[in-house]
Amino acid sequence: SQKIEQNSEALNIQEGKTATLTCNYTNYSPAYLQWYRQDPGRGPVFLLLIRENEKEKRKERLKVTFDTTLKQSLFHITASQPADSATYLCAPLDGATNKLIFGTGTLLAVQP
Amino acid sequence: NAGVMQNPRHLVRRRGQEARLRCSPMKGHSHVYWYRQLPEEGLKFMVYLQKENIIDESGMPKERFSAEFPKEGPSILRIQQVVRGDSAAYFCASSPETVAYEQYFGPGTRLTVT
Repeated sequence: SQKIEQNSEALNIQEGKTATLTCNYTNYSPAYLQWYRQDPGRGPVFLLLIRENEKEKRKERLKVTFDTTLKQSLFHITASQPADSATYLCAPLDGATNKLIFGTGTLLAVQP
Repeated sequence: NAGVMQNPRHLVRRRGQEARLRCSPMKGHSHVYWYRQLPEEGLKFMVYLQKENIIDESGMPKERFSAEFPKEGPSILRIQQVVRGDSAAYFCASSPETVAYEQYFGPGTRLTVT
């Protein structure tokens, strides 16, 4: 069955540093992959979408890469700020079922 | 431009009662998705609807659960004869196009079954 793995442990970094979050998937080949941010008690918020034919996508301080050979996506936040502290969810699209499959997320904590 | 709205935000039901969760998609969005989230778990897809049609309900339990998105009014997720295991956060999302596009989530309904 399809499986998505994100860093299960919280990621703690210092303000101003670059945060890198990993998303690995197995047993399917998504055509799209999305990243969302979720704050406690709130719904996820869409951040970026990357297609399988795109190696990299940027939006302000955010950068996403998509390596279909490694079956991995990396999510980077440069010049991180305490306000970036949240859980980040990876969601590849299963082309066979046309469904977004969400990972359990990685909790990022940016220390001032 | 209001975002996705869900109500109620919190719902407490006793075992055996019915729970009705409502979702109003963003203006102009005709695709609605329902997800369930348990603590320490990811969002689990339940059902995908367009106006008056269920497109995919493969993530929804066959019994006790139903969903609709009528021509007029909000989408409704209905859980009959709730059990303790139904306690979770239920999120609704909408999109202007198919699931390949970004989804806009509501604030969720937290259902507690006592």
